[in-house]
Amino acid sequence: AQTVTQSQPEMSVQEAETVTLSCTYDTSESDYYLFWYKQPPSRQMILVIRQEAYKQQNATENRFSVNFQKAAKSFSLKISDSQLGDAAMYFCAYIGYGQNFVFGPGTRLSVLP
Amino acid sequence: DTGVSQNPRHKITKRGQNVTFRCDPISEHNRLYWYRQTLGQGPEFLTYFQNEAQLEKSRLLSDRFSAERPKGSFSTLEIQRTEQGDSAMYLCASSFPLVGSGDGYTFGSGTRLTVV
Repeated sequence: AQTVTQSQPEMSVQEAETVTLSCTYDTSESDYYLFWYKQPPSRQMILVIRQEAYKQQNATENRFSVNFQKAAKSFSLKISDSQLGDAAMYFCAYIGYGQNFVFGPGTRLSVLP
Repeated sequence: DTGVSQNPRHKITKRGQNVTFRCDPISEHNRLYWYRQTLGQGPEFLTYFQNEAQLEKSRLLSDRFSAERPKGSFSTLEIQRTEQGDSAMYLCASSFPLVGSGDGYTFGSGTRLTVV
């Protein structure tokens, strides 16, 4: 079975600074996708960024980028120029041959003004 | 289309009562998923439908849980004889059948269940 681990229950960052959230995963599947989702207090899961495992190039979306290390099964999220609106729970997620996501336990990010 | 809609937003029930939640997916999506999220954890998969067919059920879905999607549109999740351990947020999501890519997966805002 696939597992996703996030070792940082909570993180904080000063507004305008950069923060990196960690994620590791375990799988025996060769084709899969990795995601970072944001869950604000409004509760809806919002897709932040997506990475196809077969692509070596790290995905970027504006201020959000990932460091994907396939051999190490590591998938960290970097948030640059942090904004107050970035404060939320962040979940790392995996989807492979199955039809459903496997989520990590989440990291609560606080942004300090 | 305003996205995936879930009702009610909150539900408080006494232990032993039955509850039913509703999910209205994005109309073009033929796949619909249910997840459960307990406090401090990520969502865990419960079950999914393609059109009206329930194609997979997690071992988390005990006999007290039943999900339906009678006409391939909205879905209901019923919990019978609720227990305090059922207290959680129940998330619904919908998507096109893009195998393995997770693309276009849209979540609702969830129903928070509290069993007292």
